[in-house]
Amino acid sequence: AQSVTQLGSHVSVSEGALVLLRCNYSSSVPPYLFWYVQYPNQGLQLLLKYTSAATLVKGINGFEAEFKKSETSFHLTKPSAHMSDAAEYFCAVSDLVTGGGNKLTFGTGTQLKVEL
Amino acid sequence: EPEVTQTPSHQVTQMGQEVILRCVPISNHLYFYWYRQILGQKVEFLVSFYNNEISEKSEIFDDQFSVERPDGSNFTLKIRSTKLEDSAMYFCASSGTSGSHEQFFGPGTRLTVL
Repeated sequence: AQSVTQLGSHVSVSEGALVLLRCNYSSSVPPYLFWYVQYPNQGLQLLLKYTSAATLVKGINGFEAEFKKSETSFHLTKPSAHMSDAAEYFCAVSDLVTGGGNKLTFGTGTQLKVEL
Repeated sequence: EPEVTQTPSHQVTQMGQEVILRCVPISNHLYFYWYRQILGQKVEFLVSFYNNEISEKSEIFDDQFSVERPDGSNFTLKIRSTKLEDSAMYFCASSGTSGSHEQFFGPGTRLTVL
């Protein structure tokens, strides 16, 4: 079974500082990996996805993530944090289901706090 | 921009009652999903639905749960006899054609079972 581990349930950074949110995956097949963001009282919004093309993936709002097979990692980064980045971030791995669709398995999430 | 919608946004019910959570997926999508998130916990997969049948379900999705696509637009999750532990945020998601792995999520329905 595929799984995702997110290290650090809470991360706090200063505005303008580097954001690094960690995600490690476990998969028996080449994975599809995703980062979703959840703002308070809202649904999940896709930030970026890795689907076996370029290993460095750029997403919305200045975020990017690098797929490193040797480290089984897919860490999310942003060079300069903004107050509006404060939210919960979920890493997810896709499990392709024969016959249709793909189940997402989520990590436990990382709450990002951005301080002045 | 097309989006997934869910109704109601909040639902309060008594233990043992039936609830139906409703979702309108993006119109040209073919794959539909339900997930739930118990307060303070991670998002968990419940069920996927394709071609008018369940394609996969988790161990959470027992006989008390059912899904239906009663017409061309709605996708519903029914809980037959709610339990306290069913209290959670329920998210509907949809994805497009085969090979597209991006799922678009609705804003969720917060279910509270008393």
